[in-house]
Amino acid sequence: KQEVTQIPAALSVPEGENLVLNCSFTDSAIYNLQWFRQDPGKGLTSLLLIQSSQREQTSGRLNASLDKSSGRSTLYIAASQPGDSATYLCAVTTDSWGKLQFGAGTQVVVTP
Amino acid sequence: NAGVMQNPRHLVRRRGQEARLRCSPMKGHSHVYWYRQLPEEGLKFMVYLQKENIIDESGMPKERFSAEFPKEGPSILRIQQVVRGDSAAYFCASSPTGLNSPLHFGNGTRLTVT
Repeated sequence: KQEVTQIPAALSVPEGENLVLNCSFTDSAIYNLQWFRQDPGKGLTSLLLIQSSQREQTSGRLNASLDKSSGRSTLYIAASQPGDSATYLCAVTTDSWGKLQFGAGTQVVVTP
Repeated sequence: NAGVMQNPRHLVRRRGQEARLRCSPMKGHSHVYWYRQLPEEGLKFMVYLQKENIIDESGMPKERFSAEFPKEGPSILRIQQVVRGDSAAYFCASSPTGLNSPLHFGNGTRLTVT
């Protein structure tokens, strides 16, 4: 049974520091892995999608890596800003329908 | 291009009433997913639909819950005879192709059962 774990559960950093968020999954038979951002009271915003054959994806200050064999993904956010404060969720696609299995999330606070 | 639209944003129901949650996917998206986020828990898959078809309902409780995505109109998640344990945020997501395209989520419907 697939389990997705995110560590740490919460993280607080001063503005300007780089953020490193970790995601691990127990079954390497995934189709892809996605990182999302969730703001309080809002829905999820897709940040990056990494196909199972890819090693990383980049978008602006965000970079996500995927090591499928070891069941790990890391999301890096460079030069954090207060606007980056949110909960970050990773999710893996476990079947051909695109169904996602989510981790519990990492709550990030960037202090000015 | 409007995003995924969910309504209502907040819904209060008494125990035993029915709750109907609506989701209009993004234009051109024919794949709809419903997820539930219980307090202090992560997001859990409920059901996956394409137009007029339920493809996977493995995450949906077998009793009281149903979902549809008709040829015309929004997708509907229906909960009959609600109980306190149904209180949660219900999110709808859509995609154009299903697998390997990013999901676009709505802002959710927050259901409170009193």
